[in-house]
Amino acid sequence: QKEVEQDPGPLSVPEGAIVSLNCTYSNSAFQYFMWYRQYSRKGPELLMYTYSSGNKEDGRFTAQVDKSSKYISLFIRDSQPSDSATYLCATNNQGGKLIFGQGTELSVKP
Amino acid sequence: GAVVSQHPSWVICKSGTSVKIECRSLDFQATTMFWYRQFPKQSLMLMATSNEGSKATYEQGVEKDKFLINHASLTLSTLTVTSAHPEDSSFYICSAREDRSGYTFGSGTRLTVV
Repeated sequence: QKEVEQDPGPLSVPEGAIVSLNCTYSNSAFQYFMWYRQYSRKGPELLMYTYSSGNKEDGRFTAQVDKSSKYISLFIRDSQPSDSATYLCATNNQGGKLIFGQGTELSVKP
Repeated sequence: GAVVSQHPSWVICKSGTSVKIECRSLDFQATTMFWYRQFPKQSLMLMATSNEGSKATYEQGVEKDKFLINHASLTLSTLTVTSAHPEDSSFYICSAREDRSGYTFGSGTRLTVV
């Protein structure tokens, strides 16, 4: 079992839709959770990070962590074509290494 | 915010030659730097972790004699792909860790070995 599981998609939505991206993780010791956005042929950029359970909002983006079910989510409201990218969830282990999900490829159609 | 500069952004080399990729933290001192490899449609695969002034720690299955990592200062790490072969063609990405800002990634290097 992978430590972080993520549906690779691809996911295609119309412009303006609400997008829900999800990951599950296996180790209850994980505490920091991150969402990265990666455009084609570019390095990942940090979108959101959360600590432990709860919600965090930043503009059109909301990150949610449910530690009881080991489930993390990223919601994108009013999605735009410029949101088209691969989204990677991640956490870090005690050694400081990032553990990534497989990444979900999102396409927002105008 | 924290910025990591990675060069070159793309490189084509002949089989058997060596290629060096640089990763610099521009406005912070990176206590730790990471090197990843990414194949198309796949996630990032950690190759090695380097700390300034010490030997890199390689992940299982990564040939340390082929992928030489040097972390000479708190702002510079280099990855040298030695005697490159077509199967080494990939997207290589570095990441620098600064205690406050977390993990910041470079823009990646696309290596093509012909």
